[in-house]
Amino acid sequence: DVKVTQSSRYLVKRTGEKVFLECVQDMDHENMFWYRQDPGLGLRLIYFSYDVKMKEKGDIPEGYSVSREKKERFSLILESASTNQTSMYLCASFDPGRPSYEQYFGPGTRLTVT
Amino acid sequence: DQQVKQNSPSLSVQEGRISILNCDYTNSMFDYFLWYKKYPAEGPTFLISISSIKDKNEDGRFTVFLNKSAKHLSLHIVPSQPGDSAVYFCAASGTASNTGKLIFGQGTTLQVKP
Repeated sequence: DVKVTQSSRYLVKRTGEKVFLECVQDMDHENMFWYRQDPGLGLRLIYFSYDVKMKEKGDIPEGYSVSREKKERFSLILESASTNQTSMYLCASFDPGRPSYEQYFGPGTRLTVT
Repeated sequence: DQQVKQNSPSLSVQEGRISILNCDYTNSMFDYFLWYKKYPAEGPTFLISISSIKDKNEDGRFTVFLNKSAKHLSLHIVPSQPGDSAVYFCAASGTASNTGKLIFGQGTTLQVKP
């Protein structure tokens, strides 16, 4: 079973703080993703990575950066948190070699910025 | 530009009846479609998928239908159970790039009443 874990389930931060969200997967998947989920907007892609140290911007990268120093770990960084970044953050991993083409998601981090 | 749309934010059905969730897409390059189910405070879990070479895929109580000419897919749940109450997301992908990138719809909240 693929397991994707996220460092925190709930997080409360102040405006202007630097925030790190960590994601780890245990199935040696090449590709990893960060999404945010907001009511009525579905899941929107922030960044994805297709290899160590390789990354691509998604649809809403502004205000975020990412780091992938090891294959199993993909970090999302909010350089200076703002209230409009209050959201549910979801990490996912994907194996291009699998025929099912599904992404595996972590449990999510509910971030509140006050 | 919303490439994947779920136009019904919510749906309520009686236990034992059929639930039909709908999804429309605009990009003809999409060739793989997935449905995910999400409970509150949890990550999405994969439910069922369909390739564009098929028009139907069935897995137990869940069936996905694809109408390529109409760029429309639907998820049928028969019979519906209270445990099916969740948010359902459809997602689409163009597999040619093999990145695993998914475009998600806004989600439909299904409530199954006992």
